[in-house]
Amino acid sequence: SQKIEQNSEALNIQEGKTATLTCNYTNYSPAYLQWYRQDPGRGPVFLLLIRENEKEKRKERLKVTFDTTLKQSLFHITASQPADSATYLCALFPLEYGNKLVFGAGTILRVKS
Amino acid sequence: DSGVTQTPKHLITATGQRVTLRCSPRSGDLSVYWYQQSLDQGLQFLIQYYNGEERAKGNILERFSAQQFPDLHSELNLSSLELGDSALYFCASSASGSPFNEQFFGPGTRLTVL
Repeated sequence: SQKIEQNSEALNIQEGKTATLTCNYTNYSPAYLQWYRQDPGRGPVFLLLIRENEKEKRKERLKVTFDTTLKQSLFHITASQPADSATYLCALFPLEYGNKLVFGAGTILRVKS
Repeated sequence: DSGVTQTPKHLITATGQRVTLRCSPRSGDLSVYWYQQSLDQGLQFLIQYYNGEERAKGNILERFSAQQFPDLHSELNLSSLELGDSALYFCASSASGSPFNEQFFGPGTRLTVL
């Protein structure tokens, strides 16, 4: 069956460290992958989009990698801050679904000072 | 603030009832997307409208329907409500019809069906 898996357990890290979140998918052929941030009770906020022919993308303290062989994306936040605490959602555009966005369940990140 | 507005913020109703959720996209955006977020299903795409026309359909139940008006605002109608319809409903907008463009999400409507 098709699924997107993100760390179900919350990730707790110390301020200043690099947070790494994982998104694994099976039986999808995504042409694009996006990462969103969601704060409690609020709508998701778009962070980054990466295409299947891009290995890595950066934006300020954020870095995303996309490995279509491993069927995995990694999302890194360097020099993390307590304000980075939120739920981070991975979302795919599977070609099989006519490019409709499919979301993972998200990973909760807690950055402690 | 994403520029997308949704009303109402909260809605409490009973099973079997019908409700309408409203969304105004960002100024200039032609596409509106509706999503449902529940604890057990996560965030799920329901439907997309582009410039008044249905563009893509996801896991939208037959009891649900949507439309986009000439002024580009959109409404999501939910009828014969069931307990399981309780969820956060988000609207998002983007500039073009392509879903690959950045989508801007509204604050959501929390629907509680009792």
